[in-house]
Amino acid sequence: GAGVSQSPSNKVTEKGKDVELRCDPISGHTALYWYRQSLGQGLEFLIYFQGNSAPDKSGLPSDRFSAERTGGSVSTLTIQRTQQEDSAVYLCASSSRHSGGAYTGELFFGEGSRLTVL
Amino acid sequence: DAKTTQPPSMDCAEGRAANLPCNHSTISGNEYVYWYRQIHSQGPQYIIHGLKNNETNEMASLIITEDRKSSTLILPHATLRDTAVYYCIVRTGGSQGNLIFGKGTKLSVKP
Repeated sequence: GAGVSQSPSNKVTEKGKDVELRCDPISGHTALYWYRQSLGQGLEFLIYFQGNSAPDKSGLPSDRFSAERTGGSVSTLTIQRTQQEDSAVYLCASSSRHSGGAYTGELFFGEGSRLTVL
Repeated sequence: DAKTTQPPSMDCAEGRAANLPCNHSTISGNEYVYWYRQIHSQGPQYIIHGLKNNETNEMASLIITEDRKSSTLILPHATLRDTAVYYCIVRTGGSQGNLIFGKGTKLSVKP
């Protein structure tokens, strides 16, 4: 498809289990972002990938959270030993470099993966 | 990146113009103003951005004050489908870093 694709759209898991969330960015987009949004709250930045540079992990809330981006395209966000407070919608976004060389700042978001930890 | 201040909520009558303010008094010379919106249960959607000149596209207009310390997003003829949370963000145009969202303004368009 032409947009950012995330899977699964919904995930229910038990406390203590590990989960993996997947993001397929728009083809050719070099930047990829993960955010999470708890019910009724704003967007919380988690991690940012840009090309082959080291990712900006400054938003990851704990060492239970990790993410990787393989081949500069698909990204997987992994949450180990899930807790109830991890319940949220996890949003992925991608962006591309403007033809002139600078980023325009326009992020394209997926529809998110809703995680519920029981 | 500079911080922004927005009112938590606003109402607008359907068909009227919605004017959403944003203060960014600490904006730097190379920082752009971006607007996104998030309709309930959807991912955020880019609306418009600008540096110092006013900008217009098919969705909205962006008016930036001469001193660049504040801006206004204008939806010229608001519809019920424009009900959403609107986020004002300032960011370096060539930034390769993360985009930080604040709490935004909840716009409610009423019939």
